[in-house]
Amino acid sequence: DAGVTQSPTHLIKTRGQQVTLRCSPKSGHDTVSWYQQALGQGPQFIFQYYEEEERQRGNFPDRFSGHQFPNYSSELNVNALLLGDSALYLCASSLPGQGGDYGYTFGSGTRLTVV
Amino acid sequence: GEDVEQSLFLSVREGDSSVINCTYTDSSSTYLYWYKQEPGAGLQLLTYIFSNMDMKQDQRLTVLLNKKDKHLSLRIADTQTGDSAIYFCAERDAGNMLTFGGGTRLMVKP
Repeated sequence: DAGVTQSPTHLIKTRGQQVTLRCSPKSGHDTVSWYQQALGQGPQFIFQYYEEEERQRGNFPDRFSGHQFPNYSSELNVNALLLGDSALYLCASSLPGQGGDYGYTFGSGTRLTVV
Repeated sequence: GEDVEQSLFLSVREGDSSVINCTYTDSSSTYLYWYKQEPGAGLQLLTYIFSNMDMKQDQRLTVLLNKKDKHLSLRIADTQTGDSAIYFCAERDAGNMLTFGGGTRLMVKP
């Protein structure tokens, strides 16, 4: 049973460019959340998608947008990249309303470096 | 807004117990979690506790929750070198968003 898969694993972009990160949720999960983890810090919630709609959003600018497809996979798009966007981007999948060990399964992340 | 605080660093000797502490501010938290992150890897769920529980034990792991003081701890018994990693506590709000602490780096010396 595959867990959460993210692609690519590493990415280098130039300031001002746009980037798309991808996530396939764990089998059976239909909710996808995205987190940004800057170096030396804990992950910060970006947004969550359920039924192809953004259900909840953290304190991130509109440059960060997302999409969820009918097969529950998701994309995170970041426009007009800044140096401060360099981070590990983590995707987590879950079933809605489930907690505890039925909760969130994290992928290994995409390491984005903006130069 | 919600805030989760952890101490930055903990060093223990192999075989000793480790206790990692966490404080949080959101009284509406439903679940509280402990995650482990090894270098270059994602987050691995270690254990969780529902907010109406005081304690949960899972093999070498013991979670204590003091809801009045909003204090959460993770005790690792018989700590091994393979336990060296960064440990994050996280609280889950009613909207299913996780708020993480900054992480505690655990170093286990042989």
